[in-house]
Amino acid sequence: AQSVTQPDIHITVSEGASLELRCNYSYGATPYLFWYVQSPGQGLQLLLKYFSGDTLVQGIKGFEAEFKRSQSSFNLRKPSVHWSDAAEYFCAVGADGSARQLTFGSGTQLTVLP
Amino acid sequence: GAVVSQHPSRVICKSGTSVKIECRSLDFQATTMFWYRQFPKQSLMLMATSNEGSKATYEQGVEKDKFLINHASLTLSTLTVTSAHPEDSSFYICSSLGTGKNIQYFGAGTRLSVL
Repeated sequence: AQSVTQPDIHITVSEGASLELRCNYSYGATPYLFWYVQSPGQGLQLLLKYFSGDTLVQGIKGFEAEFKRSQSSFNLRKPSVHWSDAAEYFCAVGADGSARQLTFGSGTQLTVLP
Repeated sequence: GAVVSQHPSRVICKSGTSVKIECRSLDFQATTMFWYRQFPKQSLMLMATSNEGSKATYEQGVEKDKFLINHASLTLSTLTVTSAHPEDSSFYICSSLGTGKNIQYFGAGTRLSVL
């Protein structure tokens, strides 16, 4: 069975600073990887996804993520954080080459200081 | 991205009553929908997979008689929490997976509070 670890429960950054959220996965084959963002009391919005090909993927809102097979990681990055980026971020892995069976990480809460 | 509408966004009910939550896929046909439960400050836990025209598949530990799922059309799935009790209070989120699509699109969630 697949699993996802987000080591950082809570991260605080200043507005304008760079951001990296960590995600490590466990899955035997090539995974489908996703990053979602959740604002308080809201559902999840897809930021970006990796299925195959270029290991550096671009998403919405200026986010990017890099798939590193050797490290079983899919870290999310943003060069300059905005106050509106404050939210909960979830990494997820899909098994069997699809998004049917998604396993979510425990989430990372991002706080942005003015 | 695709739009998934979930209604109501918030519901407060008395213990022992039943509550129905609707999940609609607005701009594509969703052969499969998913229902998740999220406790405060925790991740999403899959409750069940809803397949159009067939019975839902429930995850281990989820009571199928308590959480009734109906997926009668390609755009609508409903979750009914029967005889709700305070321990059923939670945030319920649905998602849709269209045919051939490898992305789950999520609704905005329903906050259920059982008094």
